[in-house]
Amino acid sequence: IQLTQSPSSLSASVGDRVTITCRASQGISRDLAWYQQKPGKAPNLLIYAAVTLQSGVPSRFSGSGSGTDFTLTISNLQSEDFGSYYCQQLKSYPLTFGGGTKVEIK
Amino acid sequence: QVQLQESGPGLVKPSETLSLTCSVSGGSISYYYWSWIRQPPGKGLEWIGYKYHSGSTNYNPSLRGRVTISVDLSKNQVSLMLRSVTAADTAVYYCATGSGKLELTTGNYYYYSMDVWGKGTTVTVSS
Repeated sequence: IQLTQSPSSLSASVGDRVTITCRASQGISRDLAWYQQKPGKAPNLLIYAAVTLQSGVPSRFSGSGSGTDFTLTISNLQSEDFGSYYCQQLKSYPLTFGGGTKVEIK
Repeated sequence: QVQLQESGPGLVKPSETLSLTCSVSGGSISYYYWSWIRQPPGKGLEWIGYKYHSGSTNYNPSLRGRVTISVDLSKNQVSLMLRSVTAADTAVYYCATGSGKLELTTGNYYYYSMDVWGKGTTVTVSS
């Protein structure tokens, strides 16, 4: 299953609302996770089951969608939210990731 | 909370075998399904495969049978072997795990997510 993320990069200001989309090549129900990765670090789980916020993750992060179209939203962007964001499908094997979205803070 | 630490040689010669270890602490290695994931420099993430201690495995077909993942209960370690490496295998290699469910009809384990990752270890393939 191929996952297409858009945009591939974005630049936004603190306080902005940011939306990243992930489109699957076939339906995956809600078997999708979102990760944040900072330079030189391992990915960190933000959202699983498409909409469920991982414990300890700030509530400004939210996920939506099902089937083939998914969205990660960061409301009220903070300076520490820079990094790359990846979606991952867990519906079928091989597990796959989106190509990533690099978020830069203006 | 389970913690993971990858280790292994940072440099491997082309055509040789890459061997990495993931040391598990803070939890039972027999409870989880263990995955390896890699990330070439400046690129995205690629799932390599998973292994359960009792034998259940699932590998990415893209690795064309070059990969073996094993679990050593006595050492609390998960190992990755990748044979016949080329420069394309240069990457940061991560071990990871998370909760999920076993589908009895297929024998596959389906992760809900991967919420525990090691810090990663960098492997360069070069002569």
